[in-house]
Amino acid sequence: GIQVEQSPPDLILQEGANSTLRCNFSDSVNNLQWFHQNPWGQLINLFYIPSGTKQNGRLSATTVATERYSLLYISSSQTTDSGVYFCAVGYNTDKLIFGTGTRLQVFP
Amino acid sequence: DTGVSQDPRHKITKRGQNVTFRCDPISEHNRLYWYRQTLGQGPEFLTYFQNEAQLEKSRLLSDRFSAERPKGSFSTLEIQRTEQGDSAMYLCASSPEPRRGGTYEQYFGPGTRLTVT
Repeated sequence: GIQVEQSPPDLILQEGANSTLRCNFSDSVNNLQWFHQNPWGQLINLFYIPSGTKQNGRLSATTVATERYSLLYISSSQTTDSGVYFCAVGYNTDKLIFGTGTRLQVFP
Repeated sequence: DTGVSQDPRHKITKRGQNVTFRCDPISEHNRLYWYRQTLGQGPEFLTYFQNEAQLEKSRLLSDRFSAERPKGSFSTLEIQRTEQGDSAMYLCASSPEPRRGGTYEQYFGPGTRLTVT
């Protein structure tokens, strides 16, 4: 099955800093989603991005499907950005395969 | 609120008891998924339905687990004879039925956190 690796596993930032989270996957995909899991466990949809680039406010994401990676950019980070960020992928299957996540802590 | 809802949000049970969780998907979505998440890990797929038909089950879904979606709307996940290893967050998601060869975004509920003592 498809393997998903996320890096870095942990990230500590000061408020206002920028960061890049990476997701590598081992095979072709036609579904890729980025999520933010808040401290209560809710998975919040950030991007549905099997390919290309999207932006939403301070967040943007790029997926290069041919090279099997996706990047999530967070600019001007805020304390409310803290939590775990997951990348999840799928290919012609209805299940998502999740990475182990990047734990982000933003300090004031 | 038109998102995915789950009930209960928390459940504490003693080993050996049976528990049942409920998921209500987004109303126009005919696909419904169950995932399980243990501490420090990403969610893992358990099973999914298209309308009332259960189309795929993970090997994680032992014979103590059963899921139903009798009328193609809400779904239940039952765990019989719970074990301490069943302690986890149980997440439900829904999506529209994808077009042939395509996929759609999945939306997750708040989860049910199960603690088996």
